Amino acid sequence: GDSVTQMEGPVTLSEEAFLTINCTYTATGYPSLFWYVQYPGEGLQLLLKATKADDKGSNKGFEATYRKETTSFHLEKGSVQVSDSAVYFCALRPSGNTPLVFGKGTRLSVIA
Amino acid sequence: GAVVSQHPSWVICKSGTSVKIECRSLDFQATTMFWYRQFPKQSLMLMATSNEGSKATYEQGVEKDKFLINHASLTLSTLTVTSAHPEDSSFYICSARDPSETQYFGPGTRLLVL
Repeated sequence: GDSVTQMEGPVTLSEEAFLTINCTYTATGYPSLFWYVQYPGEGLQLLLKATKADDKGSNKGFEATYRKETTSFHLEKGSVQVSDSAVYFCALRPSGNTPLVFGKGTRLSVIA
Repeated sequence: GAVVSQHPSWVICKSGTSVKIECRSLDFQATTMFWYRQFPKQSLMLMATSNEGSKATYEQGVEKDKFLINHASLTLSTLTVTSAHPEDSSFYICSARDPSETQYFGPGTRLLVL
């Protein structure tokens, strides 16, 4: 079935460091891909998305490119801040009217 | 962006009582809403898919008589945990899909059953 695999955390970085959180997926057809962020004690917020191959989603300095050839959607940010500390979830929607399939989440801690 | 609200944000109840959680899409109509459960430091587990005006579709292993879902309007879905027990304590998150098929999530409801 459809699945999402993302790197296990926790990831601890110093402020202004470069961030990469790997995400790969398995799906039939042409899924849409998403990154969600969950701050402590809160629900999930959509961070960015891409709906077709080679699309790049971006928001708040975060970027991810839909790579069909490697079935990946890695999340990157050039310079992280303490306020970026959260859990990041990669997700896919297989097609049409289907629910999201989530990865297990990666906890990021940014220290000053 | 689109906003989804949940109420209450947290609830403490005695074992055996029922708890209702509301989920509202505030600025769009959602024909489809989802209910998730999240255990500490784990991912979201889809419990059920709720379509306006029809019965919810439950995921395998989720008791439909335990977790009653009603989606009476295009902006409101409710989850009722019936006869709650301590093992039902969890973080419940709803999600609503907008017409562009983007899923937006509520802030979650933390349930503690004593």
